[in-house]
Amino acid sequence: GAGVSQSPSNKVTEKGKDVELRCDPISGHTALYWYRQSLGQGLEFLIYFQGNSAPDKSGLPSDRFSAERTGGSVSTLTIQRTQQEDSAVYLCASSLKRGEYNEQFFGPGTRLTVL
Amino acid sequence: GDSVTQMEGPVTLSEEAFLTINCTYTATGYPSLFWYVQYPGEGLQLLLKATKADDKGSNKGFEATYRKETTSFHLEKGSVQVSDSAVYFCALRNTDKLIFGTGTRLQVFP
Repeated sequence: GAGVSQSPSNKVTEKGKDVELRCDPISGHTALYWYRQSLGQGLEFLIYFQGNSAPDKSGLPSDRFSAERTGGSVSTLTIQRTQQEDSAVYLCASSLKRGEYNEQFFGPGTRLTVL
Repeated sequence: GDSVTQMEGPVTLSEEAFLTINCTYTATGYPSLFWYVQYPGEGLQLLLKATKADDKGSNKGFEATYRKETTSFHLEKGSVQVSDSAVYFCALRNTDKLIFGTGTRLQVFP
C-alpha cells in the first residue's frame, strides 16, 4: 500500500515569507509526527497528533511554527515569517496508533531552503 | 531529559569488514530502542528494534542488544557490503516521540 507522502519535496522561499508543508499519513494511521532534520541540530521532534489533537507540541521551536490535522488524516505544518535557521528537511511519520510499541513510518521529507 | 549519544562518523570500511557503531542513552524508565537507516536519496527506515533489556534486534545481518546495565545499544554487522553505505541513527522512545542520536555515516568501499 501507499506510504507516507509529503509535499512539496523541495521548497525554496525568501526570508520573511510563510510556508506550508503537507503530510499525508498511511491510511488508517491515527498518530502522526513531525520531525526536523538540520545540520546543526540533527533529527529533532516537533509535534505529534493523535487524531486531530496535539498532545505534545513541546518540540516546536517558536510561535512562528504551528501545525494542524484535519479529519484525522492530512496534516499541515506552517512556518510564518521564515528565517534562514528554519532551513532543514521536515519529516513526517505516522503510526497505527500512539504508544512506544507502534512503529513509526517516515515520509521522504520536504527540503526547505530559506534564502 | 532523555538523550541518545552515538559515535561520530564517518566510519569508513572495506567490504567484508566488521562494523560496530556505538550508541548509549540516558532515559527515565525503560525505553524502547531503535536503529534507523537513511540510504542516499531515500527516507528514514526502521532497521531494527528492541523493547526490553537483553532483547536482541536483528535485520539484514545487523544486530544490536539492549544492555540496561551499560545503557547501550551498539549496532554490529559481521561483514559489511557496499550497499550498506548510509547514515545510521540510534533512537529511543519512552512515550510517543522518538529521540534520535546525531547519526553516523558509514562508507563501505569495495
